[in-house]
Amino acid sequence: AQSVSQHNHHVILSEAASLELGCNYSYGGTVNLFWYVQYPGQHLQLLLKYFSGDPLVKGIKGFEAEFIKSKFSFNLRKPSVQWSDTAEYFCAVTPGYSSASKIIFGSGTRLSIRP
Amino acid sequence: GAVVSQHPSWVICKSGTSVKIECRSLDFQATTMFWYRQFPKQSLMLMATSNEGSKATYEQGVEKDKFLINHASLTLSTLTVTSAHPEDSSFYICSARGRNTGELFFGEGSRLTVL
Repeated sequence: AQSVSQHNHHVILSEAASLELGCNYSYGGTVNLFWYVQYPGQHLQLLLKYFSGDPLVKGIKGFEAEFIKSKFSFNLRKPSVQWSDTAEYFCAVTPGYSSASKIIFGSGTRLSIRP
Repeated sequence: GAVVSQHPSWVICKSGTSVKIECRSLDFQATTMFWYRQFPKQSLMLMATSNEGSKATYEQGVEKDKFLINHASLTLSTLTVTSAHPEDSSFYICSARGRNTGELFFGEGSRLTVL
C-alpha cells in the first residue's frame, strides 16, 4: 500500500533559520506530490505541487521542494523562516493521475517559530 | 484558487441523533470529493472517495452505514453521521478535485461534538 512518511513530528526554529522538512513516500509508479499547510484555526492550503518537469518546485511564501525520484523524497525547504510560518505542514501523494485517485497524507510536521 | 465550502462549521448533538455535513464546490465542478477525519494533532485520515452519480468508495475500517455519503451533483457532497456517539466527535474535512486538475481544494472543516 502507498504511504507517506514525515519523520519530523515537531520542529522548533528561531526566526531567520533555514528550514527543511522531510517527506518520503512509498510507491513505485508515477506520482504527484503536494505540500499543504494548516495555519492555526484555518483550513488546509496548498503550498506547492509537483506533477512533472523541473524537480525543484517553487511555491508560495518562499517555500520550495525538491523531488528526488531515486530517494522517493519530496523535502520542503525555506531559506529563512518567519514567525508567521508557524503551522502544521502535510506532505501528500497521489499515485498516478486521475481525478479519482485518492490522496495520501503524511502524519504532518508541526513547525514552531520562536520570535 | 477554487473555493470549497463546508456547512456547518461546527455542530453539537446528542448521542443517537444523526448529523449531516454539506460540502460544496462554489466555483467549479467537482467530479470527485473526498471526506477526511482529523483527530487532534494528527493527520487527515481518508474516510471515503465520493464520485458524482455513483456510490462512494470507503476506506478500510470506515463503516458505510455509519457514515453515509451522497454526491448528488457536481457541486455538492454530503456526509451524514448516523446515530452519532461521543467517539464520533472529530473534525471532518472535505476536499474537492475538478475535472482537469490534480489539485485538491479543501473545505474549512466541520467540528462535530457528540454529547
